[in-house]
Amino acid sequence: EIVMTQSPATLSVSPGETATLSCGASQSVSRNLAWYQQKPGQAPRLLIYAASTRATGIPAKFSGSGSGTEFTLTISSLQSEDFAVYYCQQYNDWPPTWTFGQGTRVEIK
Amino acid sequence: QLQLQESGPGLVKPSETLSLTCTVSGGSVSNSNYYWGWIRQPPGKGLEWIGTNHYSGSTYYNPSLKSRVTISVDTSKNQFSLKLASVTPADTAVYYCATTPRLPRVGSSGYDLPFDYWGQGTLVTVSS
Repeated sequence: EIVMTQSPATLSVSPGETATLSCGASQSVSRNLAWYQQKPGQAPRLLIYAASTRATGIPAKFSGSGSGTEFTLTISSLQSEDFAVYYCQQYNDWPPTWTFGQGTRVEIK
Repeated sequence: QLQLQESGPGLVKPSETLSLTCTVSGGSVSNSNYYWGWIRQPPGKGLEWIGTNHYSGSTYYNPSLKSRVTISVDTSKNQFSLKLASVTPADTAVYYCATTPRLPRVGSSGYDLPFDYWGQGTLVTVSS
């Protein structure tokens, strides 16, 4: 079973600054990696898949990178609506399975 | 645009079976290019994939829950459902249904499988 580990658990960032979130896999997942944003009381929203492809309607301020076992989500010019919990997720296409990281909370500094 | 809505009891007694239904609108559960899945989130905790179904009948489950989970698709009602048997208070969570499109990879074989549309979630509490 692949284990996904996110760091840090909490990231304090000032508005207007850039946040850099990390996600590591216990073994290579190639580029089979997605990122989600979750705000309190809401369902997660897909931001990035295939490690770096933005989902429909996601602004360019969200960017993903990495492959294999190390991945990064970068959020530039943080605004109030960006403060949330972010999850990474790996997926296998055969057989289909999915595993989430434990999440990184991005809070206002 | 796809919309998903969970429904079912909000309170289940220990040892009983949790049953939830996800109603799909704006698309068909018979679409072979989609998987239909369930994810849960205990209060204050992270996300856990439960299982996923394809209308063809293929099912895929989280190994940690496999012995207790059944996911099925009802094409006549455009719904898919979750049954989780022998529940305990540890199964208390917000349960989400979600859909996964099979996105062909660019430049290589295989598919990308992110969860792109989610229901709003429903809280299920396991308590006597």
